Amino acid sequence: EAQVTQNPRYLITVTGKKLTVTCSQNMNHEYMSWYRQDPGLGLRQIYYSMNVEVTDKGDVPEGYKVSRKEKRNFPLILESPSPNQTSLYFCASSLSTQGGTEAFFGQGTRLTVV
Amino acid sequence: GENVEQHPSTLSVQEGDSAVIKCTYSDSASNYFPWYKQELGKRPQLIIDIRSNVGEKKDQRIAVTLNKTAKHFSLHITETQPEDSAVYFCAASTYIAGAQKLVFGQGTRLTINP
Repeated sequence: EAQVTQNPRYLITVTGKKLTVTCSQNMNHEYMSWYRQDPGLGLRQIYYSMNVEVTDKGDVPEGYKVSRKEKRNFPLILESPSPNQTSLYFCASSLSTQGGTEAFFGQGTRLTVV
Repeated sequence: GENVEQHPSTLSVQEGDSAVIKCTYSDSASNYFPWYKQELGKRPQLIIDIRSNVGEKKDQRIAVTLNKTAKHFSLHITETQPEDSAVYFCAASTYIAGAQKLVFGQGTRLTINP
C-alpha cells in the first residue's frame, strides 16, 4: 500500500532534549516536505527536499533540521526543542518537484514540549 | 512570496444545503490549486484540484472554480452530508528555484448540522 509513515504519533518531551521525528515513503517520490499545523495558521512549510542530499528552508525553518540521505526517508530533527515548537507536524511527499502533483501526508506527529 | 487567504474560518450549514469556501492568492505565477480535507484526528487528503488553464472542475458533489484574473478560487459542496464535516484547506502551488512550493490557506472548519 502506497503510504507516508511518520513516527512517533505522539511525543511529550522537555525543553532542550534533542528529538527526531521519522518520515518514510514507499512511492519513490522525489519531493518531500515537513509542515507544522497550528490553529488559525493552516499548514506552514518547515523544510523541503527535492531529492537525495538536496534540502532547503521553507517558511518557518528556525529551530529545525532535516536530512535526506536516502530517497525514502526524510527525518525532522529538533536539536533543542522549545515550548513554541509544540504543534502538530506532518510529513508529505509528492511525485514531482515540477509542481502540480498531489501531496500525500503522513499520519501526523503531535509534539508537546514542556 | 505567495500568500493564500481563506474564508470563512468556520462554516455551519444544514444537511442538504450547499457550502462555499473561498480563497485568494497573491502570486500570479501560481498554477495549481488543490483542496484538502482533514477529518478530526486524521491527515489532510486531496479531494479535488484545478490547474490554471481550467476555469471549473466538478467531481460528484464537489466543484472548484478558478478566476485567474481576480486571483481567487472557491470550493463548492452541494447536498451536504454529515460526513462532509471536517477542516478544509485550500492551497496554491508555484514553481520556485526548481521546486514546487505549496502554500496553504488557514483552513475552514465546516460543520454539517443534521
